[in-house]
Amino acid sequence: GAVVSQHPSRVICKSGTSVKIECRSLDFQATTMFWYRQFPKKSLMLMATSNEGSKATYEQGVEKDKFLINHASLTLSTLTVTSAHPEDSSFYICSARDGLSPRSYNEQFFGPGTRLTVL
Amino acid sequence: QQQVKQSPQSLIVQKGGISIINCAYENTAFDYFPWYQQFPGKGPALLIAIRPDVSEKKEGRFTISFNKSAKQFSLHIMDSQPGDSATYFCAASRDSSASKIIFGSGTRLSIRP
Repeated sequence: GAVVSQHPSRVICKSGTSVKIECRSLDFQATTMFWYRQFPKKSLMLMATSNEGSKATYEQGVEKDKFLINHASLTLSTLTVTSAHPEDSSFYICSARDGLSPRSYNEQFFGPGTRLTVL
Repeated sequence: QQQVKQSPQSLIVQKGGISIINCAYENTAFDYFPWYQQFPGKGPALLIAIRPDVSEKKEGRFTISFNKSAKQFSLHIMDSQPGDSATYFCAASRDSSASKIIFGSGTRLSIRP
């Protein structure tokens, strides 16, 4: 149980285009989802926290107009990188929390990640 | 106060040996301490986690030791195997469904055959 999927696993796009990454919880209802960014050989950097049906909360320094997050249902959150540039190239990872489970209410289940390359 | 400090940055251990990774935190409000294992090109996976009401938790070859007064915790991997070669992250968070997880900087572990 507690599986999180991401799609696509890798994407290459031209500078100036927008890219959408999907994060799905497959066997539980994700009341909260998180989006992280990870550079090579570095730790995970939290970008934003989203709760189903409400606006995402962005971490300091993360441009909310550039990284659009939508959490329209309890099983799906999307991250859209708008007008992508080469410096946006990174490994993007989502995680989901099963807020309805009293046993694991603060445990996060991570997706496999999406490798974004902007040419 | 939100930081979790992790050491060493990299670690090489012979097959069969014990791998030890250490972490320290400042925020006494933290009360959930997970360890994650990440293979190249993959997302992190929860390995083992502890809450501060116990000083040790063991799952198979993996043990977390927790020292609440020193605000330190460590991961011990017994009988380390080449398949354990990965990056390990310690983390901490508050005991709330709304709280975010604070990650350590990571330790790249290599197990030599």
